[in-house]
Amino acid sequence: AIQMIQSPSSLSASVRDRITISCRASQDIRNDLAWYQQKPGKAPELLIYAASSLQSGVPSRFSGSGSGTDFTLTISSLQPEDFATYYCLQDYGYPRTFGQGTKVEIK
Amino acid sequence: QVQLLQSGAEVKKPGASVKVSCQTSGYTFTSYYMHWVRQAPGQGLEWMGWINPKTGVTNYAQKFEGRVTLTRDTSISTAYMDLTRLRSDDTAVYYCARATIVPDFWGQGTLVTVSS
Repeated sequence: AIQMIQSPSSLSASVRDRITISCRASQDIRNDLAWYQQKPGKAPELLIYAASSLQSGVPSRFSGSGSGTDFTLTISSLQPEDFATYYCLQDYGYPRTFGQGTKVEIK
Repeated sequence: QVQLLQSGAEVKKPGASVKVSCQTSGYTFTSYYMHWVRQAPGQGLEWMGWINPKTGVTNYAQKFEGRVTLTRDTSISTAYMDLTRLRSDDTAVYYCARATIVPDFWGQGTLVTVSS
């Protein structure tokens, strides 16, 4: 199975900060990567697909980049509603695998 | 609007089976794959498999092969996840999620608790 390693596992940041979350795949997955946001007690919500395509309705402060094995999710100006846990998902091989998650907390 | 409405919470004993339903509306059921993902308490997301509602073809994570069965009833636009031989570590929230390229719309989740 393809392993997806996210870093950091958690981070503390302030409103209006720029943050980046990384996801590294154990093998080349082209650009077959998605990013999700999950708030406590809620289902995940799709932010980015195909590594850098913004899902309809998602604010433009969210962006994704990367290809091959290294990917990044960037939030350009953190808003109060962005404090949540973020997961990457590879959709290149089976089984589909998620990163372990990055919890973004208020500093 | 797209909606995926899952069945309610379940409490099961070890060795039993559970069937979770996912009733959809607001889109053409047979045009999108349906994935199932679970999340143990305080843990991350784990992919279980998908079903093509149009053909009934399925793809399961090897970890669940032989214990999970995904089915659908196109007449009522509903997908089902059946998990057998339940263990305590199957305690989790189970999600259905419609997929285009990747899962985009998710159900609200169904908590399955396995306890003696």
